[in-house]
Amino acid sequence: DAGVTQSPTHLIKTRGQQVTLRCSPKSGHDTVSWYQQALGQGPQFIFQYYEEEERQRGNFPDRFSGHQFPNYSSELNVNALLLGDSALYLCASSSFVTSRGETQYFGPGTRLLVL
Amino acid sequence: AQRVTQPEKLLSVFKGAPVELKCNYSYSGSPELFWYVQYSRQRLQLLLRHISRESIKGFTADLNKGETSFHLKKPFAQEEDSAMYYCALSDIMNTGFQKLVFGTGTRLLVSP
Repeated sequence: DAGVTQSPTHLIKTRGQQVTLRCSPKSGHDTVSWYQQALGQGPQFIFQYYEEEERQRGNFPDRFSGHQFPNYSSELNVNALLLGDSALYLCASSSFVTSRGETQYFGPGTRLLVL
Repeated sequence: AQRVTQPEKLLSVFKGAPVELKCNYSYSGSPELFWYVQYSRQRLQLLLRHISRESIKGFTADLNKGETSFHLKKPFAQEEDSAMYYCALSDIMNTGFQKLVFGTGTRLLVSP
């Protein structure tokens, strides 16, 4: 099992463009969460997908949207890119449980640079 | 609001010295806390979580609800412990879905 995989590893875009990032969860996992990690900061929660629906969302504008596919993989889309969107985007997967403390496994991230 | 605070950006120690990375949290409820570590050129990975009460790579962390702290400790630091350490809190929604709230991280540098 390769664990959580993300593509691409690096991406350079210009302001106003749109970008799509991809994530495949760890085998056996059905829940995907996305985080943004700006330079010098900890990861910040963007949103989470389960059963192809967005289940909860952090404090991010509607320019950030996502999708989950039947095979549990997920995409993060960002429209109208701003310079401030430059960051490392992390995908994390887990199994949905109603109890606490379920470990989230992280992918290597996609580094996005907006010029 | 949920918040995790790691007051030190950088902690520099010598090999064999004790290490304590500080983490304080605010959470209205019973928290679940984690320490994640990121070694150079590697992905973020779970180091330990408080519900397991286990010791990983010699690190331990005790949840102190009175002081709202979850400090990470190791009695004798090793050079291979040099990494970025993040404290995180699991925020469980009423729906059962959880998200992680991270601190800003502490870089541990262990010198020979």
